[in-house]
Amino acid sequence: SAVISQKPSRDICQRGTSLTIQCQVDSQVTMMFWYRQQPGQSLTLIATANQGSEATYESGFVIDKFPISRPNLTFSTLTVSNMSPEDSSIYLCSVVRDREEAFFGQGTRLTVV
Amino acid sequence: GEDVEQSLFLSVREGDSSVINCTYTDSSSTYLYWYKQEPGAGLQLLTYIFSNMDMKQDQRLTVLLNKKDKHLSLRIADTQTGDSAIYFCAERPILTGGGNKLTFGTGTQLKVEL
Repeated sequence: SAVISQKPSRDICQRGTSLTIQCQVDSQVTMMFWYRQQPGQSLTLIATANQGSEATYESGFVIDKFPISRPNLTFSTLTVSNMSPEDSSIYLCSVVRDREEAFFGQGTRLTVV
Repeated sequence: GEDVEQSLFLSVREGDSSVINCTYTDSSSTYLYWYKQEPGAGLQLLTYIFSNMDMKQDQRLTVLLNKKDKHLSLRIADTQTGDSAIYFCAERPILTGGGNKLTFGTGTQLKVEL
């Protein structure tokens, strides 16, 4: 399986601030994604992180709120900007390897107070 | 668009088999995944199947796919207390021109009783 490291694993943040989450993969992958899991809910795709170009956002998610970087094929960051309590969720990085296997990081548990 | 549905809860006795069901709507070639999520943890990939297959077995896990009915099941043999978790079904259609996102079901909470 692919080894995906996410940092931080959890954080408690003040409303109005921003948090940047890092995702490091142990091998080069073409497809990398960011998901959100709200409390007690399933996962929802935020965006596809594209290497060398702007991320592709899903309906309901915008770049100003969730800026994403993908400087190379093993690393990406997701920033949650101007946070409010509604942003309290688990944020997960995901990669697809060999066009088949889809792996997830351990997630970042964010609480906004 | 894709829609994936699962029942919310399943309770079984230790040692029995568990069967978790999932239905999906996409009609194109697709990968179907099963993930396990324990409290406070991320998603662990258990197994996956491509839509041209009917069955896949991996130790205690058996995946059955009825493509006609768009029905997927995960059978866990000899269920143990450590199997208690939320199980997510997810679909990833293979699209020309990109896409490749996973659409998740609501998750099934499996409770294993002694």
